[in-house]
Amino acid sequence: AQSVTQLGSHVSVSEGALVLLRCNYSSSVPPYLFWYVQYPNQGLQLLLKYTTGATLVKGINGFEAEFKKSETSFHLTKPSAHMSDAAEYFCAVSVTGANNLFFGTGTRLTVIP
Amino acid sequence: DTEVTQTPKHLVMGMTNKKSLKCEQHMGHRAMYWYKQKAKKPPELMFVYSYEKLSINESVPSRFSPECPNSSLLNLHLHALQPEDSALYLCASRLAQDNSPLHFGNGTRLTVT
Repeated sequence: AQSVTQLGSHVSVSEGALVLLRCNYSSSVPPYLFWYVQYPNQGLQLLLKYTTGATLVKGINGFEAEFKKSETSFHLTKPSAHMSDAAEYFCAVSVTGANNLFFGTGTRLTVIP
Repeated sequence: DTEVTQTPKHLVMGMTNKKSLKCEQHMGHRAMYWYKQKAKKPPELMFVYSYEKLSINESVPSRFSPECPNSSLLNLHLHALQPEDSALYLCASRLAQDNSPLHFGNGTRLTVT
């Protein structure tokens, strides 16, 4: 079975500070991993994805994530938070044959001016 | 703007009404999804269509009835809903490949009175 765990339902950072949102996955087979962002009253927007190849993945809006197989992690980072980064962030995993993505419970990011 | 278009954006319906939610994409995706999302929760999978055939039904009550008329369109027919069915209903699509990300619409905000 596959699942994701997002540690911290709510993270607050100051504007300009490092953003770190944590995601750990559980999968018995090689996973495909995704980060999504959701702004109020909108759908989910893909930030970045890991399928195969380079373990450091760059996404939109200055975000990046590193796939660490030994730690079963795929944490999302951004060097300097901006007010516009305030949103809900979801980590998701897919595996071959699942025909679906499994979402974590989400982390709400607040950016303090 | 998203490449998955959902209509209407908002819908208020009584418990005896019949209404439909519509979703359209022109990205050539052959897998289409309906999700239900309650406030501060991740999306919950309802239905998956793969090549216009229903491939996953997550034990959704029969008052929700999906339809996939062609490869670009997905409908969700609603009848005799309950107030607890009030939620954001999200449509998504992707290539029929497990390493492909989901592309979401902005959703329909449904209120059942």
